[in-house]
Amino acid sequence: NAGVTQTPKFQVLKTGQSMTLQCAQDMNHNSMYWYRQDPGMGLRLIYYSASEGTTDKGEVPNGYNVSRLNKREFSLRLESAAPSQTSVYFCASSDSFDQPQHFGDGTRLSIL
Amino acid sequence: GQQLNQSPQSMFIQEGEDVSMNCTSSSIFNTWLWYKQDPGEGPVLLIALYKAGELTSNGRLTAQFGITRKDSFLNISASIPSDVGIYFCAGQLGETSGSRLTFGEGTQLTVNP
Repeated sequence: NAGVTQTPKFQVLKTGQSMTLQCAQDMNHNSMYWYRQDPGMGLRLIYYSASEGTTDKGEVPNGYNVSRLNKREFSLRLESAAPSQTSVYFCASSDSFDQPQHFGDGTRLSIL
Repeated sequence: GQQLNQSPQSMFIQEGEDVSMNCTSSSIFNTWLWYKQDPGEGPVLLIALYKAGELTSNGRLTAQFGITRKDSFLNISASIPSDVGIYFCAGQLGETSGSRLTFGEGTQLTVNP
């Protein structure tokens, strides 16, 4: 089973460029999430979608936008990339908001 | 906001030794989760705890949900080289959409053969 699939796996951007990170899950989960992981800081929630048609800000939403395209897909967009957004981005999904989350393998993003 | 303190930050042990790590919180949680992350991969769920005082095992792993609901520990018995990785605790208050999963900063485990 694929579970949670993220694309691309790696990306290098220049400051000011825009980019969309894609995430899809095949577990028929209702809730989806975007996190960033930085050294020594664990995982921090950027945005989440508790159910199809809804999105909400997490702990660190500034500089990002999201779209819950359908039940399977949840994308994260950087409109104008900044070096501070260099990080590893993880998408996750869960059956409902209080159920354990399952993670993708991450997108490693570097912004020069 | 809620904060989780996870300790130790790193551990270096010999194969066969037992390992213990823990998380404490400034506020209560209704759910505690333990994840493991291998290099280049996403976190994988190891154990989920839903009730104060609950003790749950998954093979050589045992985790407990503290009675105060503000702490949890994870034990690994008879460690093996493939136990190497980063272990994260995570807590969640409840089922409402405003109740987010809060992660600890991780424990980096190294197992020497």
